[in-house]
Order: sequence, then structure tokens, then C-alpha cells
Amino acid sequence: NAGVTQTPKFQVLKTGQSMTLQCAQDMNHNSMYWYRQDPGMGLRLIYYSASEGTTDKGEVPNGYNVSRLNKREFSLRLESAAPSQTSVYFCASSWTSGSYEQFFGPGTRLTVL
Amino acid sequence: GESVGLHLPTLSVQEGDNSIINCAYSNSASDYFIWYKQESGKGPQFIIDIRSNMDKRQGQRVTVLLNKTVKHLSLQIAATQPGDSAVYFCAENGAGTASKLTFGTGTRLQVTL
Repeated sequence: NAGVTQTPKFQVLKTGQSMTLQCAQDMNHNSMYWYRQDPGMGLRLIYYSASEGTTDKGEVPNGYNVSRLNKREFSLRLESAAPSQTSVYFCASSWTSGSYEQFFGPGTRLTVL
Repeated sequence: GESVGLHLPTLSVQEGDNSIINCAYSNSASDYFIWYKQESGKGPQFIIDIRSNMDKRQGQRVTVLLNKTVKHLSLQIAATQPGDSAVYFCAENGAGTASKLTFGTGTRLQVTL
């Protein structure tokens, strides 16, 4: 039981490049989330998916898109990366959108030059 | 993955002593509060939660206190151990849903031998 897994662990992009961060969970959770974490700031919600087939914006969705590929997988795409998107990205999952206990992956450190 | 960066408030505690980590929350409409622990290189991990109709909740070696009058939350760790060294975040459901948690900036706990 791996929990929440994220790939890649590290990534360096040039401004304007695109990439997709992958997330998968094996806990049969219904809800999944993408956060970013910046120095001196708490985790901020980018997008979430309450259940398979639905996605909703969080606090900081601009510059990102998401896909809930199936119940297990939730990807985050940066279409045209900007230096302001340099951050650590965490994926999380929970039993339902009403569950407060979220289980987090190990994170992806992204640097945009 | 990485924990939050450079300018966190830090609490240094000797092994065996009790630790108290404080958090001021912002939204008086929040009715659910959670504490997360983030070890270096890992994603956040749920510790304990409390609803607004309670003022105290105990777990294993941890106690959360809630003072709604002054919008203050604290996490008490008894007999602090080296494994407790981490960054601790409080979170609130300011938007009224579990899907949209607002996280604090975190406090780094350093346990000295």
C-alpha cells in the first residue's frame, strides 16, 4: 500500500515550457487535491476533485489545469510555466470531499527558470 | 519533497519536555480545525482535529485546545521526542467545506537532546 505517489520528485523547466505532474493513490479515496507550498506561506489549494469526473478551482488556479483521469489518478498541468510557479507541489487524497483527514504525497519540487 | 522554507518561527524544546505550538486563525466562521505535521522531505501528515463545539481534544501524547473567543488554537505535545522534530501547521475550514482548507504558515519544532 503505497498511499499517495507523485512523479517526478524534481523538475527544472524553462519559462514557457509545459509539463504534467502526476499523482496516484491506492486507498480507494474519492477526493483528490493539488496544493502548492511556498516559503513563508502555508499550503494553498490549486484545484481539487471531489469525485471521479469532477474538478473545481481552489484558491490559486490560474496557470494550471487538472485532469481526474480515473478514481486513482489526478494530474496537474502547467501549459506555459512561469517563474512564479516555482514551488513545491503536493497531491493529497481523502475518503470524500467531506473528510477532513487528507493524505499527502511526498511532493514535487519544481523550478522554473 | 520538501517542507516549507526558511523563515518559519521556531520552537526549541529539550527532549522530554512538553511543547506548545500556537496558531491564530482568521475566520470566525470556521468550525473545524486540524493540525498537520511535516517532516523534512515529506508531505504533511494529519495529527489531530477538533470541531468548534469542543474546546479540548486529546490524542496519543497530543492535545489540541481551541479558544474561539480569541480565535486561537494550540497543539500540546507531551514528553517531546526527537521524532517530533518537524514543521507543524494548523488548518481551518474557513470556506465551510473540507475541500477548501486554509493552512497556516507553520512552526518549526526543534527537539534538542
